[in-house]
Amino acid sequence: NAGVMQNPRHLVRRRGQEARLRCSPMKGHSHVYWYRQLPEEGLKFMVYLQKENIIDESGMPKERFSAEFPKEGPSILRIQQVVRGDSAAYFCASSPWTVSGNTIYFGEGSWLTVV
Amino acid sequence: QQQVKQSPQSLIVQKGGISIINCAYENTAFDYFPWYQQFPGKGPALLIAIRPDVSEKKEGRFTISFNKSAKQFSLHIMDSQPGDSATYFCAASVQGGSEKLVFGKGTKLTVNP
Repeated sequence: NAGVMQNPRHLVRRRGQEARLRCSPMKGHSHVYWYRQLPEEGLKFMVYLQKENIIDESGMPKERFSAEFPKEGPSILRIQQVVRGDSAAYFCASSPWTVSGNTIYFGEGSWLTVV
Repeated sequence: QQQVKQSPQSLIVQKGGISIINCAYENTAFDYFPWYQQFPGKGPALLIAIRPDVSEKKEGRFTISFNKSAKQFSLHIMDSQPGDSATYFCAASVQGGSEKLVFGKGTKLTVNP
């Protein structure tokens, strides 16, 4: 999973601030996924994007959260007006355009702490 | 139902023993069942995966057993080693959909030397 690059690895924000998490997929991958992992929990799907398109955002909270994957540059997960409950590890994953195998590769995560 | 239930929550095994982790699912549309291994502070890494057209898949010391009628699948780690100590997650997804994975809550495996 070293090929999926996430930054920052650790981020501390005060309540009410904005958090921006970035993800560069593996070379050749055009599908990006964001997952959230709360302490002692499994990963929860948030959003699935292709270049310039949101394919499935069924796991995204309705407010304060947004994601994009522009034509150029990394995918961004943006959390506005953070609250303590947003403290979690956010994992990005990527896969190639082909659906065969359904194999997705995870990055090492961005740990958000809201104080 | 999108839930995947995983058990046990934690498991302690002696070196050389067999580690067994179980998962059950509800959604019969699921057709891809991977297992991920996660070390502290790291992202999940794909370990092994199976599709419902086979009942067992083996890769080295790791074996997935799949029971379609019972909607259950399990991971067996043979000859468990201290280096296998990690959290293991089962997951499921529908091929050709958005490919979003539904994860179990994880099993923390400790292999004692």
